[in-house]
Amino acid sequence: NAGVTQTPKFQVLKTGQSMTLQCAQDMNHNSMYWYRQDPGMGLRLIYYSASEGTTDKGEVPNGYNVSRLNKREFSLRLESAAPSQTSVYFCASRETGAGSPQHFGDGTRLSIL
Amino acid sequence: EDQVTQSPEALRLQEGESSSLNCSYTVSGLRGLFWYRQDPGKGPEFLFTLYSAGEEKEKERLKATLTKKESFLHITAPKPEDSATYLCAVQATGGETSGSRLTFGEGTQLTVNP
Repeated sequence: NAGVTQTPKFQVLKTGQSMTLQCAQDMNHNSMYWYRQDPGMGLRLIYYSASEGTTDKGEVPNGYNVSRLNKREFSLRLESAAPSQTSVYFCASRETGAGSPQHFGDGTRLSIL
Repeated sequence: EDQVTQSPEALRLQEGESSSLNCSYTVSGLRGLFWYRQDPGKGPEFLFTLYSAGEEKEKERLKATLTKKESFLHITAPKPEDSATYLCAVQATGGETSGSRLTFGEGTQLTVNP
């Protein structure tokens, strides 16, 4: 039972390069989320997709784009990476229903030089 | 704006030494409060959901409680394998229209020494 799978696990980029982080879930969940986690800042929501075909901005969307490719997959794209985007990125998914928890992948550790 | 504050930032315990972690929250209306455990290099792992003041949930050595302004995660007779960062998050009422977003605290890093 894979749950939420994120690829790659690690990546180093140079400033200005572009990259897409991939996320897939096998739990048939409707909602999916992208977070970044930084020391002293906690988990902050970048973008979310409440259902297939919809995406919305979270708390820190600047510099990112997302695509909900289908019900299983939700990708995060950095068009022109900046050192401030060095972080650990987590994808999560959730089934519909009050109080249903979000389930997380193990993250992508991204360094931008 | 929803806010979550966790204390202490870090806690060191001896094996068997019980203690509690605190999560204080401010939210317009609480739909759910969530506790997660995060191990180094891993994503958060769901532990509990609490919905209303007075509610309690237990799992092995962990018990979560909820009041109108805070939640506690009580750890009874901890073992070294309980060492992790514990995260608290809240979901506000009306959140279904905004993707059931969560607001997270910064976490408490727990270390249990043998």
